[in-house]
Order: sequence, then structure tokens, then C-alpha cells
Amino acid sequence: EIVLTQSPATLSLSPGERATLSCRASQSVSTSLTWYQQKSGQAPRLLIYDASKRATGIPARFSGSGSGTDFTLTISTLEPEDFAVYYCQQRSDWPPITFGQGTRLEIK
Amino acid sequence: EVQLVESGGGLVQPGGSLRLSCAASGFIFTDYEINWVRQAPGKGLEWVSYISTSGSTIYYADSVKGRFTVSRDNAKKLVFLQMNSLRVEDTAVYYCAREGVDLDSWGLGTLVTVSS
Repeated sequence: EIVLTQSPATLSLSPGERATLSCRASQSVSTSLTWYQQKSGQAPRLLIYDASKRATGIPARFSGSGSGTDFTLTISTLEPEDFAVYYCQQRSDWPPITFGQGTRLEIK
Repeated sequence: EVQLVESGGGLVQPGGSLRLSCAASGFIFTDYEINWVRQAPGKGLEWVSYISTSGSTIYYADSVKGRFTVSRDNAKKLVFLQMNSLRVEDTAVYYCAREGVDLDSWGLGTLVTVSS
């Protein structure tokens, strides 16, 4: 089973700043890496798939990069609505589909 | 508009059973695989099960294998998750998610609480 490790666990930033979230896989997942955003009390929302492709309706301030074992989700300029929990997920080698433990992006 | 609506959650004693339903609308149901993902209170996401468009291919997480059964009724646009021998650690919000470009649409979830 591929283990995904996200860092940091919590990221404290202010609106207008740049956010960089990391996800590391225990073995290569090529570019089969997906990012989701989950706001409190809501279902997860697909942000980025295939490591770098934005899902429909996702603003251009969200971008993904990486391949193999190291991936990054970048939010170029934080908006108030971006403060949430972010999960990475792989399906390169599945079942099982596995998720990272999440990064909480909080307002500083 | 794509919609997935889960139902069937509730409070059940350890060892008991529940059947969850996921009702789909707003898309061609037979074109999409469906997954179940759960989230324990205050915890992260855990994949539970997958069912293919025809129902011929099914996968489970090891944590539920032998206890949970997924099925679908394409005529009624429904997916089911039969959960038997429930344990305290199965307590979670259960989401169904459509597999388009990965898990591209999710329901709001249904809460399952396993407690005596």
C-alpha cells in the first residue's frame, strides 16, 4: 500500500500570501496524484488531478506540480475562502486508493 | 446538475447492520463508477469501496473486507453499501463519490455511529 505523507500538518498564513503544501509518496505514483479541498462541515472538492491539471471551475490561483514521489499544491494568492483542509490522494497502485492525512490551512 | 445523495445512516450497536444508499441524478449513471469514502469524526479521509459501471468489478479496503458489500441498481440510479458486523471504529461520515476525473463529485455524506 502506498503511503502519502503531507506536510506541514498545519499552515498558518494571511490572505494575500502564497501557500505551498507538500505531499510525499512512499513509492513512485508517476503523476497519478490528486488534491482535494475540504471546508468544515462539507464534502471534499476535487481541485487538481494528474498532479497538475485543474478540475473544472477551479480558480487559476491553484496549481499542482511534481511527479514520482514529491508533489506540491500551490495557492498563489490566498483568498479568505481558501482556508480549509487539503488532502492528496493516489491511485497509481490501487486498490487501495490512499489519502494523505491532510494539511490544515488556517488564517494567521 | 450532478447530485449524489446518501441516506441510511444512523445509530447502531456493535455487531449490527446498516444499509446505506447513494442516489444519483444529473448525469448518465451507467457511465460512471462509484466509490465510498468515509471520514471518522475529526479524522482524515479513508477509501472504503469501489464498484464499476456494471457492478462486475468491486474492491474493498482491507478494513471492511468480508463485512461490507457494495452493489448498484442502474435502473434506479442507486448504489448501496451493506454494512454488517459493525464495529465502533466504523463510526464515520460515509460519502459516495463519482469517479469521473478521479473523484470529481461527492455527496454530502451520511453519519454512521456505532455505539452501545
